[in-house]
Amino acid sequence: EIVLTQSPGTLSLSPGERATLSCRASQSVSGSYFGWYQQKFGQAPRLLIYSSSSRATGIPDRFSGSGSGTDFTLTISRLEPEDFAVYYCHQYGNSPHTFGQGTRLEIK
Amino acid sequence: QVQLVQSGAEVKKPGSSVKVSCKASGGVFSSSTITWVRQGPGQGLEWMGRITPVFGTGYSAPSFQDRLTITADESTRTVYMELSSLRSEDTAAYYCATDSGLRGYDPWGQGTLVIVSS
Repeated sequence: EIVLTQSPGTLSLSPGERATLSCRASQSVSGSYFGWYQQKFGQAPRLLIYSSSSRATGIPDRFSGSGSGTDFTLTISRLEPEDFAVYYCHQYGNSPHTFGQGTRLEIK
Repeated sequence: QVQLVQSGAEVKKPGSSVKVSCKASGGVFSSSTITWVRQGPGQGLEWMGRITPVFGTGYSAPSFQDRLTITADESTRTVYMELSSLRSEDTAAYYCATDSGLRGYDPWGQGTLVIVSS
């Protein structure tokens, strides 16, 4: 099983700042099958990024994904109030599919 | 565009079973892959298994191998997740989602809360 480790666990920033979230895999994963999700309290996760760097339908361009192999990054260029949530990375190329433990993005 | 609607919250006794449904509307159902993910209170996301209705047989993650059954009814466009021998650690929100291959898991159902308590 591929273990995904996200850092930091919690990120405290202010609106307008840039956020950089990291995800490291225990072994190389296919970038074609790597994504990021946003989850707000009491809601289902929402797909942000698929195939490492492709934005899902309706996702603003302030969200971007990058990386390959074992290291992947989600960047939010300029934080809006609605961006404060929990973010999960996800690999779906190897069974069992696995998620990171999450990064909580909170308002500073 | 596919929409997924799940059944309502359940309260179950330890040792019993729960069956959660996920009904799809719109899009193509039979060749779609529906996956199940759960989230314990304050916890992260845990992948449980998946099914492609046209192929019939569900696939369960090893950690659920003996307790999880995923089935599909093409006539009603509904996928079912049944978890048996429930224990308190199974208390969680259970989500279905469309596994869109390269395009990740999208969309998701609204989630079903299952509480296991004596």
